[in-house]
Formats: sequence, structure tokens, C-alpha cells
Amino acid sequence: GAVVSQHPSRVICKSGTSVKIECRSLDFQATTMFWYRQFPKQSLMLMATSNEGSKATYEQGVEKDKFLINHASLTLSTLTVTSAHPEDSSFYICSATRLDLDQFFGPGTRLTVL
Amino acid sequence: QKEVEQDPGPLSVPEGAIVSLNCTYSNSAFQYFMWYRQYSRKGPELLMYTYSSGNKEDGRFTAQVDKSSKYISLFIRDSQPSDSATYLCAMREQGGSEKLVFGKGTKLTVNP
Repeated sequence: GAVVSQHPSRVICKSGTSVKIECRSLDFQATTMFWYRQFPKQSLMLMATSNEGSKATYEQGVEKDKFLINHASLTLSTLTVTSAHPEDSSFYICSATRLDLDQFFGPGTRLTVL
Repeated sequence: QKEVEQDPGPLSVPEGAIVSLNCTYSNSAFQYFMWYRQYSRKGPELLMYTYSSGNKEDGRFTAQVDKSSKYISLFIRDSQPSDSATYLCAMREQGGSEKLVFGKGTKLTVNP
């Protein structure tokens, strides 16, 4: 149990376009979902915390107008990278917490902006 | 001083060796301690979870927490090439935010 999926696993887009990444908890209802980004050989950097039905809480330095988060249900959260630029190229990972507060991660989405 | 310190390695050991991975932290409010394993280009996978101080064993893996020293460890016995990955420690406070604070991760290679 405790499976989190992400879609797509990999996306390549042109500069200036918007990209949507989906995060789903497949076999549990997630009280909270988190979005991280990870640069090569670096640890996870928390971008935002998302609760169903409420606005996401963004970490300092993360532009909320650029990284739009929608938490539509207890099993689905989406991250939209708006007007993507090459510096947004990264590995984006979501996680979801169960009621027992264990946090489970998705497989990640590799975004490449040309 | 960062909240969580972890030596990034890399650490290279022969197959069958005992591996010791460690993290130190500064926030005495941390009560929950986790170890995640991350293979290249994959999301982290929860390996071990410990509440407060003490030891926890699961197969070849043992997690130790020493709150008095603000020091946590993960031991891997009889290491296998399939254990080659980056190991991340993570921790959070009791109550309040569910946010995890991560170490930088230690890259481990087990050589056959």
C-alpha cells in the first residue's frame, strides 16, 4: 500500500510554455501533499505544502505565480509550471502523507525546458 | 549551522560489508526520524521510521536515534550491490507542521 504516482514521468517543452504535473495517491487519502524539486546531486528542496480545498503554502523564495498548485481532491494535486524557462529544468517530486503522517513519494517528473 | 547535516560521501564498500550512515541535527524539537533510499532518477522510498530515541530493526537495516547527542544512524548489514543508492535522512517535529527536513543524502556504492 501507500503508492503515489506522478504523470508525466518526463516532459520536454519549449521555453515559454506551461507544463502540468499530476500527483496522485493511489490507495490512500492524503491529508497533505508536498511538492519538491531536486537538482542533480542535491537534496530535495521543498517548494510548497498543499491541502485539499485550500491554498498552497509556498516556501520562501518560491514564486507562487510561476508554480501554480491545485489540490482538487484528497488523492490529486497538480503543479503547473507557467511560462517555463531553461532554469526551471529540474526533477520535480511530490509526496503525500497518510493519517499516520508517514510521507510517501512519487517517482518524480523530469522537466527539460529547451 | 544547517538544521540537518549529512555527509554526502560518496561512500564505496565491498559487497558484504556493514555500512554506517549518519546524520546530526540541531533542532531538539525533532521527534520523528526517517531514512529514505533514492535510486538514480527515482523518487525517495521510505526505509525506516523511528519515533524519539532507540533502535529499530528491519531485516538487514537498523536505525538508531540518540536524542541526547542529536545523532541518528542507519546500519546496513551484509550490504548488496542492489543497496547502491543515495540515502537521505529526514526528520520532523511532533505536532504542528508535517514538513520534513532532509539531509543532503549520502551516495552509497556497494561493489560486487
